[in-house]
Amino acid sequence: DADVTQTPRNRITKTGKRIMLECSQTKGHDRMYWYRQDPGLGLRLIYYSFDVKDINKGEISDGYSVSRQAQAKFSLSLESAIPNQTALYFCATSEAGTGNEKLFFGSGTQLSVL
Amino acid sequence: QKEVEQDPGPLSVPEGAIVSLNCTYSNSAFQYFMWYRQYSRKGPELLMYTYSSGNKEDGRFTAQVDKSSKYISLFIRDSQPSDSATYLCAMSANFGNEKLTFGTGTRLTIIP
Repeated sequence: DADVTQTPRNRITKTGKRIMLECSQTKGHDRMYWYRQDPGLGLRLIYYSFDVKDINKGEISDGYSVSRQAQAKFSLSLESAIPNQTALYFCATSEAGTGNEKLFFGSGTQLSVL
Repeated sequence: QKEVEQDPGPLSVPEGAIVSLNCTYSNSAFQYFMWYRQYSRKGPELLMYTYSSGNKEDGRFTAQVDKSSKYISLFIRDSQPSDSATYLCAMSANFGNEKLTFGTGTRLTIIP
C-alpha cells in the first residue's frame, strides 16, 4: 500500500465549482504539504502544516484553502475553480528532526478545470 | 529570471552512457541542494541531498555542488533504462522544505 495516498487520481470539473482533493498518510509524519506542478514552472508550494493545529500559506495560496483533519489527513480545497488551476497536484509529508527533511510524495491528482 | 534554471530536455542517451544533469541558480544564499527523480504519473522521490559545496556519491549517482559558480550537477554512471525519468533539482537557503525552490525538471530517456 502507498504511504501517501491521494484521491482522486484524476478530476475534471467546471469553472466555479468547489472541489476537494484529499491526502492521507500512514508514515506517521507530522509535516504535510500541498504542491502543484505545471509544465515550465516546476513544483510550487501551496500550503503546509507542521501539525494538526498549524497551517501556513505557501508561495501560491490564493484561491486555495486547506484543512488538517488529523495527523494523517490533509485536504486541499478550491472554493471556486478556475481554468488556470488546471495542474498536477501533489501531497507530500516529511518527518521533523531527521536531518535532511526528505519529502515523501503521493502519486498526484491531475485536475482539469474547464 | 527564475531563481533556479534547469534545461527541460528531453535528453536521450544510450544505455551504459554517463549522464550529466545540471541546474544553475541565482540566489547565493542557497546551501541545501537536492535531486529528485520523478517517474511518469508518480510523485518525485529524493535521490541525493547535499549541504554546501562538494561531491556526494551514492552507487551510480554523484551529486556535485559548485557554489562559486552557482551550479549543481547530477551524474549517472552506467545508465540503465530504469533511469528514464524526469529529474528535478531543488534547493533552499535554510533548513526545511517550506522555502524549497524546485527546478522545472529535465526529462531523461535511456535507450536500450
